[in-house]
Amino acid sequence: AQSVTQPDIHITVSEGASLELRCNYSYGATPYLFWYVQSPGQGLQLLLKYFSGDTLVQGIKGFEAEFKRSQSSFNLRKPSVHWSDAAEYFCAVGAGAGKSTFGDGTTLTVKP
Amino acid sequence: DVKVTQSSRYLVKRTGEKVFLECVQDMDHENMFWYRQDPGLGLRLIYFSYDVKMKEKGDIPEGYSVSREKKERFSLILESASTNQTSMYLCASQSAGEVETQYFGPGTRLLVL
Repeated sequence: AQSVTQPDIHITVSEGASLELRCNYSYGATPYLFWYVQSPGQGLQLLLKYFSGDTLVQGIKGFEAEFKRSQSSFNLRKPSVHWSDAAEYFCAVGAGAGKSTFGDGTTLTVKP
Repeated sequence: DVKVTQSSRYLVKRTGEKVFLECVQDMDHENMFWYRQDPGLGLRLIYFSYDVKMKEKGDIPEGYSVSREKKERFSLILESASTNQTSMYLCASQSAGEVETQYFGPGTRLLVL
């Protein structure tokens, strides 16, 4: 069965610093991979997704992620974090028929 | 813009009550999902539906049922609420397809006393 691991429960970065959130997946075939963001009190919003082609995927709000099959990873990056990026981030892998399996989430705190 | 609305943002119920959580989407999406979100556990799928009157169990269906009588509306039912069902409940809708985005509602935070 597919699974997703987000090794970091909580990350703190300074505003303007770079960010990398880690995601490792387990899936037998070529995975469909997603990153979602959840701001406080809100539902989840898609940042980006990968299903084929270029392994570097660009998303909204200046985020990007790189699919590395050899490492079973799909890490999310942003070169310069803004205070408004403070949120919880979820990595997900497609589980067939439109379903997704989500990781446990990483909470991002941004220091002024 | 896709809009997914949930009937309540906050709900307080007593143990043993029957609880209805409603979700409505305005994009004519085929697929709809109910998740519960608990700290440190991510999102866990309760039920999903691919079409009107169709439903399938997710990973944690025990204690829950669902209803989809109209395409735009997907209801989650707690037949007899228990304290361990205190949680955040998220609804999502999705156009049919493997890599389609799921669009989420704002969530309902349910407290069962």
